[in-house]
Amino acid sequence: EAGVTQFPSHSVIEKGQTVTLRCDPISGHDNLYWYRRVMGKEIKFLLHFVKESKQDESGMPNNRFLAERTGGTYSTLKVQPAELEDSGVYFCASSQGTGYRSYTFGSGTRLTVV
Amino acid sequence: GQSLEQPSEVTAVEGAIVQMNCTYQTSGFYGLSWYQQHDGGAPTFLSYNALDGLEETGRFSSFLSRSDSYGYLLLQELQMKDSASYFCAVPSNYQLIWGAGTKLIIKP
Repeated sequence: EAGVTQFPSHSVIEKGQTVTLRCDPISGHDNLYWYRRVMGKEIKFLLHFVKESKQDESGMPNNRFLAERTGGTYSTLKVQPAELEDSGVYFCASSQGTGYRSYTFGSGTRLTVV
Repeated sequence: GQSLEQPSEVTAVEGAIVQMNCTYQTSGFYGLSWYQQHDGGAPTFLSYNALDGLEETGRFSSFLSRSDSYGYLLLQELQMKDSASYFCAVPSNYQLIWGAGTKLIIKP
């Protein structure tokens, strides 16, 4: 079975620009999560989708971040406009149930804002 | 608030044993998970402890003491491929709360 796919794997953009990250979960996984790791720090939760609905978006840092999951398949995370502090690695994970053991993570998108 | 503390870096020799610690402060504790992440790769699930004691899976063992809010990951017969970052995490409201990770450096 294909894993969780994220792209791009790397993105370098200038402050003020817009970037859209994409996550393709494992087929059939209703739960999709976004996490972010700022360099050297802990991985932090951003939000959780169940199918196309946002179950929990308490971790979204501010309104410059917009996540969507149209049709309950792939998800996008848009940052507009990007700021320097948005740099980090953005991970996506999916699971069939809500048990943490069943999470499968993608390799992440490394975002650098200059 | 909820937090997990891990040493930032541990160095060990190939073939040796290494222990990586994690102390946590959380509400509604259910258990402690461990993940491995190679540079540029995806975090991958290693183990989970819900109860006190030691869980063993091959060369990897994980320990939990709920009374001490403490756990560790033990790697035996270290191999160069074990060089990676290791994260402890606790589930909370359908999300994971993570530590900052321990970078394991293995020397030949």
